[in-house]
Amino acid sequence: QVQLVQSGAEVKRPGSSLKVSCKASGGTFSSFPITWVRQAPGKGLEWMGGIIPVFGTPTYAQKFQGRVTIVADESTNTGYMELSNLRSEDTAVYYCARWIAAASAWFDPWGQGTLVTVSS
Amino acid sequence: QSVLTQPPSVSAAPGQKVTISCSGSISNIGNNYVSWYQQLPGTAPTLLIYDTSKRPSGIPDRFSGSKSGTSATLAITGLQTGDEADYYCGSWDGDLSAGHVLFGGGTKLTVL
Repeated sequence: QVQLVQSGAEVKRPGSSLKVSCKASGGTFSSFPITWVRQAPGKGLEWMGGIIPVFGTPTYAQKFQGRVTIVADESTNTGYMELSNLRSEDTAVYYCARWIAAASAWFDPWGQGTLVTVSS
Repeated sequence: QSVLTQPPSVSAAPGQKVTISCSGSISNIGNNYVSWYQQLPGTAPTLLIYDTSKRPSGIPDRFSGSKSGTSATLAITGLQTGDEADYYCGSWDGDLSAGHVLFGGGTKLTVL
């Protein structure tokens, strides 16, 4: 059974960059389509982007275009999300999840989440 | 502001049935599958329903999903106190080559 384990909590300064990792285990991967979703304190889920299943290409939510980079290293079964030019509004829990089917919101399983605090 | 609209909260007594709606448009729910997620307090979301009405293995048949036009519904029967959680719908918006994922704003379920 696939499990996703994310890197630990981080505190970042405004203007800096963030890189969160997401390592998969317990399965066989011919590809690693991964998506990233964040959740600000007390708020709902917000999709950031991901590696599209089958196509293997990244796609990003318009809100994060130019500021986010999502990659997957199939050799180590690890995905990464990098977010630049951080601001206080980026304080959130960041989740990775395996993206099952293109043109869908079918994500399973999810990582445990990584709390990121952006503060001066 | 979410493009998929859910009621902020619903409530029902143990053993009863509750439904949670998710309203969208032709570009998302109308032409694409819907997924539903359960988020228990302090935990990551977990998949409840995919492809609008299918349940992953391990999800009890008390949970069911359906769609009509541009709206989807999650139904939970035989409510248990352990069902208290936030529930989110999600759907692809756009066509295969150009689109994005949308989530609803979430619905907090209280089991009275």
